[in-house]
Amino acid sequence: DTEVTQTPKHLVMGMTNKKSLKCEQHMGHRAMYWYKQKAKKPPELMFVYSYEKLSINESVPSRFSPECPNSSLLNLHLHALQPEDSALYLCASSHLRTPDNQPQHFGDGTRLSIL
Amino acid sequence: QKEVEQNSGPLSVPEGAIASLNCTYSDRGSQSFFWYRQYSGKSPELIMFIYSNGDKEDGRFTAQLNKASQYVSLLIRDSQPSDSATYLCAVMGTGKLIFGQGTTLQVKP
Repeated sequence: DTEVTQTPKHLVMGMTNKKSLKCEQHMGHRAMYWYKQKAKKPPELMFVYSYEKLSINESVPSRFSPECPNSSLLNLHLHALQPEDSALYLCASSHLRTPDNQPQHFGDGTRLSIL
Repeated sequence: QKEVEQNSGPLSVPEGAIASLNCTYSDRGSQSFFWYRQYSGKSPELIMFIYSNGDKEDGRFTAQLNKASQYVSLLIRDSQPSDSATYLCAVMGTGKLIFGQGTTLQVKP
């Protein structure tokens, strides 16, 4: 178990469905991240939120829509996904401190399958 | 393109031996370095982080950093079969972590 909680753990959806992934942390972290990971590949960064504001969007298709309602919650809204979007979706969080970048802590992930 | 390079392995060591995992990075300005362990089907788990040149020890794990050579390594002493996993080296770039491809470690009983 990790201190970053992701729900659901598994999700199967059709290409026309709308669903949301949720992520929650109570460590007081002010940076939160979404990653996508395909089998036998490293995590790929999708989005970064700093102080609840989107700071990095790695040119992710608009069918993925992030939302950060407050400092503890991060959502990823999914719509009209493609089969190639099937992957493990990871949420992470970290403190924001300088000059040393703080470690990111990952949740258990949501395994997403697109039919 | 800033890169992080790791040998994909598999690296196979006998139980009780020292496993040495290596990583090189291209951005000379990088300041923060992380090692994650990932079991098959699970999420990455932070093992070590290091910011300064030299060694940092935590139990059976030692991270080594040489900024002049742009090289970071992870040593696992007294390797156990439960250490069998993929080890991801990650380097902080401009606001984001850059991961290597990961090294698969197999510890044979």
